Amino acid sequence: DIQMTQSPPSLSASLGDKVTITCQASQNINKYIAWYQQKPGKAPRLLIRYTSTLESGTPSRFSGSGSGRDYSFSISNVESEDIASYYCLQYVNLPYTFGAGTKLELK
Amino acid sequence: QVQLKESGPGLVQPSQTLSLTCTVSGFSLTSNSVHWVRQPPGKGLEWVGAIWSGGSTDYNSALKSRLSISRDTSKSQVFLKMNSLQTEDTAIYFCTRIPKGYWGQGVMVTVSS
Repeated sequence: DIQMTQSPPSLSASLGDKVTITCQASQNINKYIAWYQQKPGKAPRLLIRYTSTLESGTPSRFSGSGSGRDYSFSISNVESEDIASYYCLQYVNLPYTFGAGTKLELK
Repeated sequence: QVQLKESGPGLVQPSQTLSLTCTVSGFSLTSNSVHWVRQPPGKGLEWVGAIWSGGSTDYNSALKSRLSISRDTSKSQVFLKMNSLQTEDTAIYFCTRIPKGYWGQGVMVTVSS
């Protein structure tokens, strides 16, 4: 199974900050990584797939990049509505695997 | 529009079998896969398994001995069955399309006597 090492587990930011979350795969995942946002009591929301393709409705302050084993997800100009948990998912090899998640909080 | 909705018992006794249904609309099961993802209270997401458009299945390595996913295309339903349930299986169970952004609202399953 591919392991997805996501960091940091938690992040404290002020409104307007830029934050970055990383996911490192245990092997090359050929850019097949998605990023989800989850708010308490809600289903996850897909923000980005295939490393950097923004889903319809995803604000442009969200971005993704990476290749091989190493990927990152950024939010520029954090807004209050961005306070949530974020997860990466590799979907190149079965079984699919999620990162452990990053909880974004307001400083 | 695309919709997925999970249903099933909220409470299951330890060692018993969990049966969940995902009823879908707005797309065909013969052309699209459906995945199950679960989330224990306060913890992260775990991919459980999937049924593909052709009807084949794949499962989480740690669960595959206890897990079965099937479907009824005429009813647009996907089924999850997991046996020998333990308290660690307590979680919200979601059905979803990966990597599409469609998710059900989830169903909370508690394993307790």
